Amino acid sequence: DQQVKQNSPSLSVQEGRISILNCDYTNSMFDYFLWYKKYPAEGPTFLISISSIKDKNEDGRFTVFLNKSAKHLSLHIVPSQPGDSAVYFCAAPRNAGGTSYGKLTFGQGTILTVHP
Amino acid sequence: KAGVTQTPRYLIKTRGQQVTLSCSPISGHRSVSWYQQTPGQGLQFLFEYFSETQRNKGNFPGRFSGRQFSNSRSEMNVSTLELGDSALYLCASSSGGQGPTIYFGEGSWLTVV
Repeated sequence: DQQVKQNSPSLSVQEGRISILNCDYTNSMFDYFLWYKKYPAEGPTFLISISSIKDKNEDGRFTVFLNKSAKHLSLHIVPSQPGDSAVYFCAAPRNAGGTSYGKLTFGQGTILTVHP
Repeated sequence: KAGVTQTPRYLIKTRGQQVTLSCSPISGHRSVSWYQQTPGQGLQFLFEYFSETQRNKGNFPGRFSGRQFSNSRSEMNVSTLELGDSALYLCASSSGGQGPTIYFGEGSWLTVV
């Protein structure tokens, strides 16, 4: 049961343009979401998070939007830079009983390539 | 502030052996969780420890176990290694509170031959 889905395996963008990475979820108990950037054979690096009480959170070039009714979130990177090329994961922390945030459920990841 | 530290970074083991991986969380963090990343299965949750107690567990066989010490440092152990256990093992730490941000270590890359 894939509770967090990233349906686009890859995205290619020109430097300076906007990158939009999408994520869908099915579990209505998820009320907090995180985005991570990951290089091969390294640990994920935390980028930005959003709570379900918000519909937008911004940090520098990164903005995350949450549409609760559609169970959809997106990460916008503006402007995109070649150094942003990596795999991006969305993740939701919640255990099955909804009693703790200790378990991250990850999407499959989207490979972002930013061309100079 | 030091990040999440995992040791060893790389190791090679033979089928049937056992392995222990270590994780030191960010100072003050009481929750430590472990994940396995493989090309076919993506990032999968193994287990979480909070204040020395296992609080959450993923769908892995009993060969995978872990523990947490009073200083919040954690270890995970895999016994009777199989070729399919070759993966990047990631440790993450968080405060364990409301709306946590979860930080990852660099990972331990295990190859089983």
